[in-house]
Amino acid sequence: NAGVMQNPRHLVRRRGQEARLRCSPMKGHSHVYWYRQLPEEGLKFMVYLQKENIIDESGMPKERFSAEFPKEGPSILRIQQVVRGDSAAYFCASSPALRGWDEQYFGPGTRLTVT
Amino acid sequence: TQLLEQSPQFLSIQEGENLTVYCNSSSVFSSLQWYRQEPGEGPVLLVTVVTGGEVKKLKRLTFQFGDARKDSSLHITAAQPGDTGLYLCAGGGRNDMRFGAGTRLTVKP
Repeated sequence: NAGVMQNPRHLVRRRGQEARLRCSPMKGHSHVYWYRQLPEEGLKFMVYLQKENIIDESGMPKERFSAEFPKEGPSILRIQQVVRGDSAAYFCASSPALRGWDEQYFGPGTRLTVT
Repeated sequence: TQLLEQSPQFLSIQEGENLTVYCNSSSVFSSLQWYRQEPGEGPVLLVTVVTGGEVKKLKRLTFQFGDARKDSSLHITAAQPGDTGLYLCAGGGRNDMRFGAGTRLTVKP
């Protein structure tokens, strides 16, 4: 399967714990985007990364959230000290080109539940 | 901030009926995408429209980009239960992309 892979598919965390969401882009893609989706809402852009570089993090909360895309391995979205409001589906997408907003392929998402 | 408004928010129809859903904005987009998302899955890209007035057809789906590149419509002919899902439009410029809240379509057999 050469598609975008995300794991885990479901993640349950208690308030105050850390959540780590992983995204492996499609083969040959070096650009990753993270989005958050609340029930009955569209996707909200969070951050756009190239390998070893954050290109745009304008949609990401300033506190508790961070993202990285190392030279080797998957992209990681990290949420520290989770709160109930962080419960949502988190999707990543990848594209082959710089600023390839119109050629994004999405993964199946990670559903985070904070109890 | 470029905002995309989709209408209707919910649509429930019988198999075989035709339907049109809309995506409107006050901003001009360099391109606009339509996605379909099924429960528990990520969005799947259906089409990208780039040129004002452009019409693209994908089997029973017809996509139109407004002349001013501010709005788009998706028309489905003879809807089938397999068309059920959340239809999202997304538009962007060079540096960003924004999604509408979607139209949740249910096609009853």
